[in-house]
Amino acid sequence: SAVISQKPSRDICQRGTSLTIQCQVDSQVTMMFWYRQQPGQSLTLIATANQGSEATYESGFVIDKFPISRPNLTFSTLTVSNMSPEDSSIYLCSARQGLGAEQYFGPGTRLTVT
Amino acid sequence: QKEVEQDPGPLSVPEGAIVSLNCTYSNSAFQYFMWYRQYSRKGPELLMYTYSSGNKEDGRFTAQVDKSSKYISLFIRDSQPSDSATYLCAMSYPQGAQKLVFGQGTRLTINP
Repeated sequence: SAVISQKPSRDICQRGTSLTIQCQVDSQVTMMFWYRQQPGQSLTLIATANQGSEATYESGFVIDKFPISRPNLTFSTLTVSNMSPEDSSIYLCSARQGLGAEQYFGPGTRLTVT
Repeated sequence: QKEVEQDPGPLSVPEGAIVSLNCTYSNSAFQYFMWYRQYSRKGPELLMYTYSSGNKEDGRFTAQVDKSSKYISLFIRDSQPSDSATYLCAMSYPQGAQKLVFGQGTRLTINP
């Protein structure tokens, strides 16, 4: 299974600023994803990070708010732009290896916007 | 109606009990089924992965899938206090990115 790390693990940010979250996988993976988990809630997919092309966003999420990069097969970033308190959440990176559907998750980034 | 329904609990049982966690889904196109365990302030950890109807066993954990009823279960035998966590079911379609759709998660507490 893939081992995934995220940086930062947590941050407190001011309204109107942006934060970039990094996701590093210890091996090459076919797919990478970004999820949001609001307090006490389940996981909601933000987007699929495509290597070398624009990310694929889910309904309700837009590139201007959540720009994503994936320059290679082991690394991706998610930026939360122009933050508001409603963006306070845990942001999780996941990856899928090979042809199987199972995904492995990073530890998450706990974001608080004041 | 949500695509995946899971009783959020909370569920509290004594140590050693058999725990049954369940999810139902509405879309028969789902073909892959997973159970994740999430401890407080941690990322989800993959416990079980199945893609066919029937049972799959791994130690104290058994995953059961009934595609005809659109129903999946996770059984935990000889439950331990260390099993206390939130359990999330997830499923995906066979095509495309195979993105996951999650249930709401069931918060489980095993009492010593």
